[in-house]
Amino acid sequence: DAGVIQSPRHEVTEMGQEVTLRCKPISGHDYLFWYRQTMMRGLELLIYFNNNVPIDDSGMPEDRFSAKMPNASFSTLKIQPSEPRDSAVYFCASSSRYEQYFGPGTRLTVT
Amino acid sequence: EDQVTQSPEALRLQEGESSSLNCSYTVSGLRGLFWYRQDPGKGPEFLFTLYSAGEEKEKERLKATLTKKESFLHITAPKPEDSATYLCAVQGSGAGNNRKLIWGLGTSLAVNP
Repeated sequence: DAGVIQSPRHEVTEMGQEVTLRCKPISGHDYLFWYRQTMMRGLELLIYFNNNVPIDDSGMPEDRFSAKMPNASFSTLKIQPSEPRDSAVYFCASSSRYEQYFGPGTRLTVT
Repeated sequence: EDQVTQSPEALRLQEGESSSLNCSYTVSGLRGLFWYRQDPGKGPEFLFTLYSAGEEKEKERLKATLTKKESFLHITAPKPEDSATYLCAVQGSGAGNNRKLIWGLGTSLAVNP
């Protein structure tokens, strides 16, 4: 299996621009998670889906963030408009049991 | 409030010098405790799941143990390739089939040759 796939790996954008991060989970996994990682706060869960349905979005920082999962093999995390404080590494993870398997992450820099 | 605290924040060892990393947790009803390894520029890599006090799991030079309040990751005769950040996370029983993990900030381990 190719594991969790994320794109792009790096994104540099200007404040106010829209950013879309993409994730392909491991085939057969029915849970998908979006995380943000910073040095100060560590790993923070933003939202997770079960069978393509959002279950807990309490970690989404504000209305500028949105996530969708249109089918079992694809999810997006969108930030509009982006701000410098959104700069972080964003991870997608998937699972079928309790352990989660992470993608390589997208390093986002907002200038 | 559910919480995970890892110590030390950073640890430097000589090759072959065994040591332990600590993960203390507070959670309402432990469903599982997870250890991950993270290399620079990569996503966390799953190592172990522990479900109940007294449980132990091993993988190569790593051994994870669990009590009712903490978990230890023992590293026996470490090698430079064991250098990484080790993350601990817990899942509480919570409501329904909650899959949310509470994460510690990690221990950064450096093993010198």
